[in-house]
Amino acid sequence: QTVVTQEPSFSVSPGGTVTLTCGLSSGSVSTSYYPSWYQQTPGQAPRTLISRTNTRSSGVPDRFSGSILGNKAALTITGAQADDESDYYCVLYMGSGISVFGGGTKLTV
Amino acid sequence: EVQLVESGGDLVQPGGSLRLSCAASGFTFSSYAMSWVRQAPGKGLEWVSGVSTSGGGTYYAGSVKGRFTISRDNSKNTLYLQMNSLRAEDTAVYYCAKGGTTFSSTWPVDWGQGALVTVSS
Repeated sequence: QTVVTQEPSFSVSPGGTVTLTCGLSSGSVSTSYYPSWYQQTPGQAPRTLISRTNTRSSGVPDRFSGSILGNKAALTITGAQADDESDYYCVLYMGSGISVFGGGTKLTV
Repeated sequence: EVQLVESGGDLVQPGGSLRLSCAASGFTFSSYAMSWVRQAPGKGLEWVSGVSTSGGGTYYAGSVKGRFTISRDNSKNTLYLQMNSLRAEDTAVYYCAKGGTTFSSTWPVDWGQGALVTVSS
């Protein structure tokens, strides 16, 4: 069974840049997996940041960007702010209607 | 504005059944794949089940296959999740999620606020 991998935790200084990644236990992530990224704070529903690799959702600041870096999907936050401190999840589409989430990354600013 | 409102969450005994509903508005419901995503207390997100735009395709995570059934009524703009043979590990907040416009694009794009399902005796 393929597992979607994310860094369990990451730390960034205010104003800094951080790149979170989303990989596969076996194989490489490509745009064909339609990687998407979500932000969640405690007690709240997830918020979609990026869909289909690099499409920002309405209202999402342009300091959030998505890409493919090497064999993984990536979420880059440029100019991190205190309220970016959240859990971040990626999801990959495995085909045949199945989507799989990564375990999430707890970001500390 | 997309709105997804879940209902039906409750306390249920192990082995019992429950049906969740999700009322959708603000978009052409029949044009989008839909999914259910859950989050156990203190845990990450887990994609549970998805349904194609027409309802003709249904998809499940291995953890719920054979116990849960997803369906949709495009005339009522409503998504359902029938949950049978519930276990303690099914305890979670269940989110209704709008997907994409291709037939089986089940990755979430918009989210509801969630419904709490607690399985306990």
